[in-house]
Amino acid sequence: KAGVTQTPRYLIKTRGQQVTLSCSPISGHRSVSWYQQTPGQGLQFLFEYFSETQRNKGNFPGRFSGRQFSNSRSEMNVSTLELGDSALYLCASSLRQAGRGTLNYGYTFGSGTRLTVV
Amino acid sequence: SQQGEEDPQALSIQEGENATMNCSYKTSINNLQWYRQNSGRGLVHLILIRSNEREKHSGRLRVTLDTSKKSSSLLITASRAADTASYFCATDGGGADGLTFGKGTHLIIQP
Repeated sequence: KAGVTQTPRYLIKTRGQQVTLSCSPISGHRSVSWYQQTPGQGLQFLFEYFSETQRNKGNFPGRFSGRQFSNSRSEMNVSTLELGDSALYLCASSLRQAGRGTLNYGYTFGSGTRLTVV
Repeated sequence: SQQGEEDPQALSIQEGENATMNCSYKTSINNLQWYRQNSGRGLVHLILIRSNEREKHSGRLRVTLDTSKKSSSLLITASRAADTASYFCATDGGGADGLTFGKGTHLIIQP
């Protein structure tokens, strides 16, 4: 079956611009999470979505936002880009459902979108 | 923020040898997972061990978990060149906070 698909693979943006990244989860996975990976901070949790609802958000400013559609596809948006937003952005989907006792599932990650802000 | 630390940060061994990586974490967990990442690409899920389990095997992988010491280890036996990658442990606290990752161990297998 198809894996997690992230588009685009690479992006170069200028400071102050905004960007939208897309993620298509594995069919049947309703949980979608986003992570930011940088050499300095490592892998950091951005958001988790389940059934079109944001369940939680990591310690990131309001410039970072996201949403999930009825088909479980998700997008994240970063507005007013800063140089420090340059990173690999990873999306992951899972069968995991917090609060429903179905927690012991791993995550399938996409290949990521590498964003460079210049 | 990072949950814990992997040890060592980098490890270089000969092909065929065993590789052991350790992970420590700080808070209570529902499960702990190990992932592999090749050259800045996406992460690949390797194995999940629940908080009430002490040891788990999958092929050449063996994972242990000691919740009293808040630590885990990943053993890769009979290493191959294709095992060269970064390995991350990640904890699942059971809520909606996603996974909390360590900084990773970079493993190099010398042919």
